[in-house]
This record gives sequence, C-alpha cells and structure tokens, in this order.
Amino acid sequence: ELKVEQNPLFLSMQEGKNYTIYCNYSTTSDRLYWYRQDPGKSLESLFVLLSNGAVKQEGRLMASLDTKARLSTLHITAAVHDLSATYFCAVDMFNDYKLSFGAGTTVTVRA
Amino acid sequence: EAGVVQSPRYKIIEKKQPVAFWCNPISGHNTLYWYLQNLGQGPELLIRYENEEAVDDSQLPKDRFSAERLKGVDSTLKIQPAELGDSAVYLCASADDGYNEQFFGPGTRLTVL
Repeated sequence: ELKVEQNPLFLSMQEGKNYTIYCNYSTTSDRLYWYRQDPGKSLESLFVLLSNGAVKQEGRLMASLDTKARLSTLHITAAVHDLSATYFCAVDMFNDYKLSFGAGTTVTVRA
Repeated sequence: EAGVVQSPRYKIIEKKQPVAFWCNPISGHNTLYWYLQNLGQGPELLIRYENEEAVDDSQLPKDRFSAERLKGVDSTLKIQPAELGDSAVYLCASADDGYNEQFFGPGTRLTVL
C-alpha cells in the first residue's frame, strides 16, 4: 500500500520569510501532485511532477521531486497572507490510478 | 468550461437516515471518482468509474454505501443508514481518462447528528 507522509502538519509562517513543506512516499510512484485547499473549498491543482529532478514554479511556490529519495518539497518564498491554506501532496501509479494523499499541511501566514 | 458540480453543498441528517449526493463531472470526462475526506485528513478514494462501470470499489463500505453512474455521466453516492462516523466531506472528481489529472468538485459536507 502506498503511504504518503507530509510534514509539518501545521506551519505558522511570518510574512516575508521562506518555508518548506516536505512530502515522503513509501513506494515507487509515477506522478506527484501538489494541491491547495482553502477552507470549505475544493482541491485546486498546483503542480504535477513527473520525473526525477523535476522542478516547477508558480509565483512564490516552487515544487521539486527526488524520486530516488521518494521526496518532494514545496518551497514558499517570501510568504504572504494569501498563501494561507492547506496544502496536500498526492501520488499515483499508472497501473493503479488511485491517488494517495498525505494528511495535508495547514499553513497560516501572520503579519 | 464548467468544473465538477456537486450538490448539495451541505447536508445535516440524523443517524439512521438515508442521504444521497450528486455529482456532475466535467463534460467529456469518462472517469469519475468519489472520495471521502475526514476532518484534518487527505481524501481517500471510495469508488472509481470508467464510464458507467465501477472499476474500483474496493474501499466502498458496501453494507451501507452504494453508488451509481447511469449513462456514464452523472453519479449518485448514497448512504443508508447513515452513522455518526459518516460525518465528513464527500468529494467528486473527474478526469478525461484514468491516466490523467483529476479535477475536484467543491464537495458535500455531511453532518450526522
């Protein structure tokens, strides 16, 4: 069974500072996703990472993937209040189709 | 393009009552998923459809949960009877096929009293 672990589960950020969320998974995976979820809202896709060494950036968020270490990171640069949300990573395998999610990291950005 | 539509958005029922959730996927998406999201956790797959066929229902508690996707478009998830532990958010997602990225609906928040 594919297990996905995120840490930290809660992250209080100060505006303007940099932070990283980590996502570890237990077995070989084909794709890794990062989602954002605002309270009471659905999951919004942020990034899809397909290969070892993949790096994607959008605004203040940058995601990377190390398939050998089975680790993905979501780096937040110069945090702003609008980034307050819960961030999930998820992995799947082409022969399984099922997305396995981490527990999520709840981010709060304070002034 | 319209996203995945779910209704109702919120539902409060008493235990032992039946409840149903409805999902309309993105037009043209053949694959449809139902997920359960408990508070403070990531979504967990309940069932996956390819067109009208349930191809993975291994995580669906079949004693009280049922689902259907007649005509391979809209889908309904039912719980009968509901238990207190069923309180959660039920998410629907769709993809143009099972290999591709899933798009999620807003979810139905169920509270069982």
